[in-house]
Amino acid sequence: DQQVKQNSPSLSVQEGRISILNCDYTNSMFDYFLWYKKYPAEGPTFLISISSIKDKNEDGRFTVFLNKSAKHLSLHIVPSQPGDSAVYFCAASWGGSARQLTFGSGTQLTVLP
Amino acid sequence: DAGITQSPRHKVTETGTPVTLRCHQTENHRYMYWYRQDPGHGLRLIHYSYGVKDTDKGEVSDGYSVSRSKTEDFLLTLESATSSQTSVYFCAISESGPGANNEQFFGPGTRLTVL
Repeated sequence: DQQVKQNSPSLSVQEGRISILNCDYTNSMFDYFLWYKKYPAEGPTFLISISSIKDKNEDGRFTVFLNKSAKHLSLHIVPSQPGDSAVYFCAASWGGSARQLTFGSGTQLTVLP
Repeated sequence: DAGITQSPRHKVTETGTPVTLRCHQTENHRYMYWYRQDPGHGLRLIHYSYGVKDTDKGEVSDGYSVSRSKTEDFLLTLESATSSQTSVYFCAISESGPGANNEQFFGPGTRLTVL
C-alpha cells in the first residue's frame, strides 16, 4: 500500500510556462513534506520542503503548496527551464528518532525549448 | 554538496555471491540510510542507522544486513545476492533528530546487477 503517490509518471511543459507536479498521501501522521529532483546517474538532490503547519513555501521559481484536508501537495515551477528536466520525487516524514522518508514513485518532467 | 561517497559505483555479480556496498560521509551526520530505487517504486528504505552500532530495518530489509562501526561508514551487505536485488542503491545522511526537519542528502548511487 503506497502511502505517497505520484499518479503522473511523466509531464511535458513548454519552456517559460508553469510546471505543476502533484503528490497525494494517505497517512495523516505525516508532518513534513519534501521534494527532490534527480538527474540520470546522480543521487536525488533536495529541492524544497514544507511543514504541515504551513500551506505554502516559496523558494525562487519553486513553490510547494500543501492541502492537508485533501492530503495533497503540489510543486509549482515558474517559469520552467530546460534544465528543470529531471525526475521529481515527493517524500513525506513523521515523528520518530530517525524521521524516515516515504517516497512517491516520481514524475519525469520534460521542459521543451 | 554534502560529502557522501559510495563504492563501488557499478558492480556486476552472480546469483548466490555475497556483496558489500560502502557508504562514506565526511559530514559527521548521525543518521545514515540505505535505499533502493526501482522503476515504478521510487526510493524504498532498506535499513537505517541512528548512531554507531545502532541500526534498524526499513520497508524492504529482507535479504539485506547493515553495519556501522564508525560514524562515517555505513555498509550494506547482500549475504547471497538474487536477481531481484538488481537495482540502484543510494545512501543518504541526515543530521536531524526528533522534532527537527528531515532533509536527507544523497550519495551518487551504486548500480548493482545480479546475473
